[in-house]
Amino acid sequence: QVQLKESGPGLVAPSQSLSITCTVSGFSLTGYGVNWVRQPPGKGLEWLGMIWGDGSTDYNSALKSRLSISKDNSKSQVFLKMNSLQTDDTARYYCATAYYKNWGQGTLVTVSA
Amino acid sequence: DIQMTQSPSSLSASLGERVSLTCRASQDIGSSLNWLQQEPDGTIKRLIYATSSLDSGVPKRFSGSRSGSDYSLTISSLESEDFVDYYCLQYASSPTFGAGTKLELK
Repeated sequence: QVQLKESGPGLVAPSQSLSITCTVSGFSLTGYGVNWVRQPPGKGLEWLGMIWGDGSTDYNSALKSRLSISKDNSKSQVFLKMNSLQTDDTARYYCATAYYKNWGQGTLVTVSA
Repeated sequence: DIQMTQSPSSLSASLGERVSLTCRASQDIGSSLNWLQQEPDGTIKRLIYATSSLDSGVPKRFSGSRSGSDYSLTISSLESEDFVDYYCLQYASSPTFGAGTKLELK
């Protein structure tokens, strides 16, 4: 069955960069896209961006300058990189399949000195 | 960006009651709307896709509909496991979520 699992650093210092990996199984990244979504504690969901099966990407326009999404099809992994983190980037970061049918459990990232 | 105005932000209801949640789209999104359910532990599940199609394994008490720019999720008879958070999501263009509805047991 389709599964997604995020892995991240847990804690990031302000102004530093964040890298999160989404490892998928049950489908091929060459044929299907993956989204990134985040949720600050106690708040709602925010779409960050996605990478399509052909490797093309779309980004939230408000965050585009800070985001990069890439993937390694052979390893079934999708990568989210965000730079210049601030405290309001503290959130649970999720990956989800292209039409949001399947979600990972999310990984909590705290931005703090 | 397309704004999704979700209401109510919270709803107190009883077991067995019928409830409806609504999202209003600021621009035409056609049928490009999903409804998601989020558990207290953060687990997210899609309930409805393309406005009114029920995902496999989702109980038939859940249904989705559209009237103009208003999209609704209806739960016909509330059960105990339904008292969690719900979000709409439009994917017609750069995806945006509604602010969420917290369904609480009265």
